[in-house]
Amino acid sequence: AAGVIQSPRHLIKEKRETATLKCYPIPRHDTVYWYQQGPGQDPQFLISFYEKMQSDKGSIPDRFSAQQFSDYHSELNMSSLELGDSALYFCASSSPTGGSYEQYFGPGTRLTVT
Amino acid sequence: GQNIDQPTEMTATEGAIVQINCTYQTSGFNGLFWYQQHAGEAPTFLSYNVLDGLEEKGRFSSFLSRSKGYSYLLLKELQMKDSASYLCAVSYGYNTDKLIFGTGTRLQVFP
Repeated sequence: AAGVIQSPRHLIKEKRETATLKCYPIPRHDTVYWYQQGPGQDPQFLISFYEKMQSDKGSIPDRFSAQQFSDYHSELNMSSLELGDSALYFCASSSPTGGSYEQYFGPGTRLTVT
Repeated sequence: GQNIDQPTEMTATEGAIVQINCTYQTSGFNGLFWYQQHAGEAPTFLSYNVLDGLEEKGRFSSFLSRSKGYSYLLLKELQMKDSASYLCAVSYGYNTDKLIFGTGTRLQVFP
């Protein structure tokens, strides 16, 4: 079965640079969630989209922005990167309107800021 | 505030049964998830409970009591590969089902 795809899987950036993370949800899933997981921590909700509209916002810094496109893939844009942004970034998708509330996670993007 | 509590670590023997408890106090509740996570990997979906009661899926079962703010994950016939972190997560929100996670329970299975 098709799973959530994220790219890139690994990314190394320097402080103050920008990064773009991409997420391709499971086919026919209309809802995308972004989570950040720091070392030894639990995932923290950043932002979510439903039908290309932002549906909720969590602890996402103002330096970050995200959007969902017409093909339902989503991108997380991160600017003025800081050392503390080093983390695993997961995307998850679900299809509540299709009766599937389970959130399936992608493999994650490991971002390292040096 | 939001609070989800799980034991930090548990150990068990191969072939045994282990129960991982989770208590929660959240401002909203749509459902409760259990995920398995190996270090550095993505959380893998195990179960989703909305209504009170027991959901069984193979070697894994999950129980929910909404009135008590309590859930548990039961793992039977433990295998070495079950050594991982188990995350309890509550979904809440009006327009979304964002998840808030507990800190996870690290389970070590010994031969």
